[in-house]
Amino acid sequence: AQSVTQLDSQVPVFEEAPVELRCNYSSSVSVYLFWYVQYPNQGLQLLLKYLSGSTLVKGINGFEAEFNKSQTSFHLRKPSVHISDTAEYFCAVKPRAAGNKLTFGGGTRVLVKP
Amino acid sequence: EAQVTQNPRYLITVTGKKLTVTCSQNMNHEYMSWYRQDPGLGLRQIYYSMNVEVTDKGDVPEGYKVSRKEKRNFPLILESPSPNQTSLYFCASSFTGQLGYGYTFGSGTRLTVV
Repeated sequence: AQSVTQLDSQVPVFEEAPVELRCNYSSSVSVYLFWYVQYPNQGLQLLLKYLSGSTLVKGINGFEAEFNKSQTSFHLRKPSVHISDTAEYFCAVKPRAAGNKLTFGGGTRVLVKP
Repeated sequence: EAQVTQNPRYLITVTGKKLTVTCSQNMNHEYMSWYRQDPGLGLRQIYYSMNVEVTDKGDVPEGYKVSRKEKRNFPLILESPSPNQTSLYFCASSFTGQLGYGYTFGSGTRLTVV
């Protein structure tokens, strides 16, 4: 079984400041890793994913994430946020070998202030 | 346009009155799943289906039923809704297999049971 912990439930940040959202996971098998974003009153949209290769993954809207296998982490970063980045962000994992189940963290709500 | 369509978007009902939330995808995905989203808990899987006539329980199946008679449709049935099923529900679909596909999500159904 897998579990995902997002260490911050809410992150207030000023516009044009950097932001980091922390994600740690636990799994007995190798996993793929994902970050999804949910804008107010909308569904989930894929930001980026780590499948293999370079541990630094770039996604849409200027976001990037770094996979750290030894620390079982997949933190999401953006160097300069905009008001439009106000949303809830979810980290998720999926087993590589079998099954299709995505296991999600509890979410991090980002509020960008002017 | 490739999409997952859920209906209705919003639903208010009374305790015990059977309801169905529909989900349809046009991407020929084998795998479909239902999640519920609750504050601080992220998304938790209710049921999933690996293909037509193949369904199985997720992490929180109590009080829900599903069916998969056609590949494109995966309705969620609440036979006797209770207030603790008030939540935001998402349907999702993907291809199966070992490739690191993420999910395509519907826009969500906000259900209130009074």
